[in-house]
Parts: sequence; structure tokens; C-alpha cells
Amino acid sequence: QKEVEQNSGPLSVPEGAIASLNCTYSDRGSQSFFWYRQYSGKSPELIMSIYSNGDKEDGRFTAQLNKASQYVSLLIRDSQPSDSATYLCAVIGGGYQKVTFGIGTKLQVIP
Amino acid sequence: NAGVMQNPRHLVRRRGQEARLRCSPMKGHSHVYWYRQLPEEGLKFMVYLQKENIIDESGMPKERFSAEFPKEGPSILRIQQVVRGDSAAYFCASSPELQETQYFGPGTRLLVL
Repeated sequence: QKEVEQNSGPLSVPEGAIASLNCTYSDRGSQSFFWYRQYSGKSPELIMSIYSNGDKEDGRFTAQLNKASQYVSLLIRDSQPSDSATYLCAVIGGGYQKVTFGIGTKLQVIP
Repeated sequence: NAGVMQNPRHLVRRRGQEARLRCSPMKGHSHVYWYRQLPEEGLKFMVYLQKENIIDESGMPKERFSAEFPKEGPSILRIQQVVRGDSAAYFCASSPELQETQYFGPGTRLLVL
């Protein structure tokens, strides 16, 4: 069973701090990794994708991938109350695999 | 370039009725995925389709649920004889190829009375 694990939270951080969201996956052959943000009552929206080891930065967001440790994370710098949402980690396994979503981490940014 | 479209956005049915949910993928996308999300729970994969073919329906309940993606027109998720436990948000996503980024529609919120 291919799994993607996230802490459901809530993760509370003060406004302006760095929020760190973590995700582990079980399929060592996984190739593609995505972070989605989902506001309450809305559909998931793509924040970032990452395919190779290391860091990928886009504005206030940085995705980090470590395939050896089977670990992917999302850092949000200068967190804002508008970042309060559930963040979903999604992984595409090796070979002919569909994407598997984690349960999501609920982030609360406290003003 | 329009995104993934779903309709209706909200659907109310009484127990025993049928629910039909529609999804039009983004232009140029031939892969469609359906997910179900219960309140305060994660996304659960239901079915993956390409034009005229069901590729993976491992997440779909064996009874009452069916899906299609005809050559022309939207993908349809059909739930027969709905029960209260079917009340959920149903999201459709599409991608240009299997292992590429999925983009989500706004979802259909189904309420079974």
C-alpha cells in the first residue's frame, strides 16, 4: 500500500514566522511531488511541484525534497493570516502510478 | 483558458434518488480523476478515466457508483439510490498526462436528505 503521511495539525504559527509543513512517503520509486493548498469549503489549488532533490523556491514558498529520506517539506516564510488553510502533500509513485494525497496539515497563522 | 469545470456546484437529493455530477477537464487534458472528500477528512481517490476508458476504479464503491468519460462531452460520476453517507464534496481533477500535475475543479457539494 503506497502511503503519504502528514500530521493533521493544527499547526499554529504567529504572523511573520516561518511555517514548516512535513510529509513522508512510502514508495521509494516516487518521482513527482506536489503541494496543494485548500481553503475551507474550496477546492485544492496547486502551490508547487518538485521533482529532484534539493530546494525549490517560489516567492514566500520553498519546497524541499530528500528522496533518500523519503521526505518532502514546504516552508512558508513571513506567514500571513491568509495562509491559514489545509496543505495537502501529493506524490506520484514510480511506474504507472496515480497520485496519492496525504490527509493534509491544517495551518493556522495567528495575527 | 478555462479551468476544470464542474456542475452543479451544489446538489440536494433525497435518499433513493440518483445524483449525476459533471466534469469538463481543462482544454488539452485527456485524463480525469474523481475524488471524494468528507468534512474534515482528506481527499479519497475514486476513479481515473481517459476518453472512453476507465483506467483505474479501485477507489470506487462496487455498488451504486459509476463513471464515464465519453468521446464527446463531460465526464459523469453517477450515484444511484443515494444514501445519507454519500453526502460529501466530490472533486474532479484533470491532467494532460497521467504523471503530470492535476488541476482541480471547484467541486460539487452533494447533500442527501
